[in-house]
Amino acid sequence: EAGVAQSPRYKIIEKRQSVAFWCNPISGHATLYWYQQILGQGPKLLIQFQNNGVVDDSQLPKDRFSAERLKGVDSTLKIQPAKLEDSAVYLCASSLDTGSYGYTFGSGTRLTVV
Amino acid sequence: QQQVKQSPQSLIVQKGGISIINCAYENTAFDYFPWYQQFPGKGPALLIAIRPDVSEKKEGRFTISFNKSAKQFSLHIMDSQPGDSATYFCAPRGNSGAGSYQLTFGKGTKLSVIP
Repeated sequence: EAGVAQSPRYKIIEKRQSVAFWCNPISGHATLYWYQQILGQGPKLLIQFQNNGVVDDSQLPKDRFSAERLKGVDSTLKIQPAKLEDSAVYLCASSLDTGSYGYTFGSGTRLTVV
Repeated sequence: QQQVKQSPQSLIVQKGGISIINCAYENTAFDYFPWYQQFPGKGPALLIAIRPDVSEKKEGRFTISFNKSAKQFSLHIMDSQPGDSATYFCAPRGNSGAGSYQLTFGKGTKLSVIP
């Protein structure tokens, strides 16, 4: 079974620039999650999708972050404009359904904002 | 994230020793208690998990002990090996509403197993 694919692996941008991350979940997984992991901390959920609908985006800083999953498969997470404190690893995860116990994480995109 | 408190922050164990990591939680509605293992440059991967109707679960060298009344669960790694060196996260699952379940991660424990 192929894992969760994410790209790019690394990104360095200047503050106030924009950036986008891409995620391809495991085939057949209806639920997709974006997490932010700041160095030395545990992952923090940003947004959860069920198919192409948003289930929970309560922790997404909506003034600068946006995410979409138009066809219920791939997803993109965008930051515009980026701030220094957005430097983190952005992890994508997927599960069969919202009630599933098994979550599979991608390797993440490491973002550095300078 | 303050709902979940993990300790210790870091741990150094000699090869062959026992590693113990603890997790305390506040939300009594959590219904699933996993431990995730993360290597540098990789995403977290499920290591072992327990449901609240069981007090202990063992898989190979890894054991979860669960104390519902104390709202704590712990990970025990027996015969620790250098390959176990990683960061470990407890991440209990709860219902965030509308039938949506989410993991709440602790801050992590960095385990180093020295030869």
